[in-house]
Amino acid sequence: GQNIDQPTEMTATEGAIVQINCTYQTSGFNGLFWYQQHAGEAPTFLSYNVLDGLEEKGRFSSFLSRSKGYSYLLLKELQMKDSASYLCAVNTDKLIFGTGTRLQVFP
Amino acid sequence: DGGITQSPKYLFRKEGQNVTLSCEQNLNHDAMYWYRQDPGQGLRLIYYSQIVNDFQKGDIAEGYSVSREKKESFPLTVTSAQKNPTAFYLCASSIRGQGTSYEQYFGPGTRLTVT
Repeated sequence: GQNIDQPTEMTATEGAIVQINCTYQTSGFNGLFWYQQHAGEAPTFLSYNVLDGLEEKGRFSSFLSRSKGYSYLLLKELQMKDSASYLCAVNTDKLIFGTGTRLQVFP
Repeated sequence: DGGITQSPKYLFRKEGQNVTLSCEQNLNHDAMYWYRQDPGQGLRLIYYSQIVNDFQKGDIAEGYSVSREKKESFPLTVTSAQKNPTAFYLCASSIRGQGTSYEQYFGPGTRLTVT
């Protein structure tokens, strides 16, 4: 079967660092996407990991361990506008989405 | 400005009526997708098309139909056979089809309410 797990909700304070985890068990793996989705809006692309390791892109970084079926999205220097849902999606022969993690950033 | 448009943003229909959701892209992408998003669930694939005049069922195609007569357009019809049509519908496109490393670009979505 195909299974992707993410925490449902997380909270953090402005200026802090937060790590959103994603574990997956899928038949096939070509890579893993992270998307950001503000309430009622379209998901927007954040990162794509194919190989193991950390990829940094400004305040956002994404990590992948294929042997552990594990990824995380790291958000630094949190801002209020980072309050959104973060979707983990595994690229097999199709894109399989997790249920998303709703992050609330408080002042 | 390139992008994906979906219209309308909100749509209300009576039970038993078919309704068509539009999706247009000017990104010159080969592949297009329709997803459904319900509270507490991940995006679920309804239909996808990797090339004009060809499309495949996704995981939850029952009660839906699509066409791909033009590269730019991929309308979705929600038929009266769909038992639970009220949802947020997202259209997406990518340069190439599923299984490739190309990210999907999403439209703004249509929120359909059927009463």
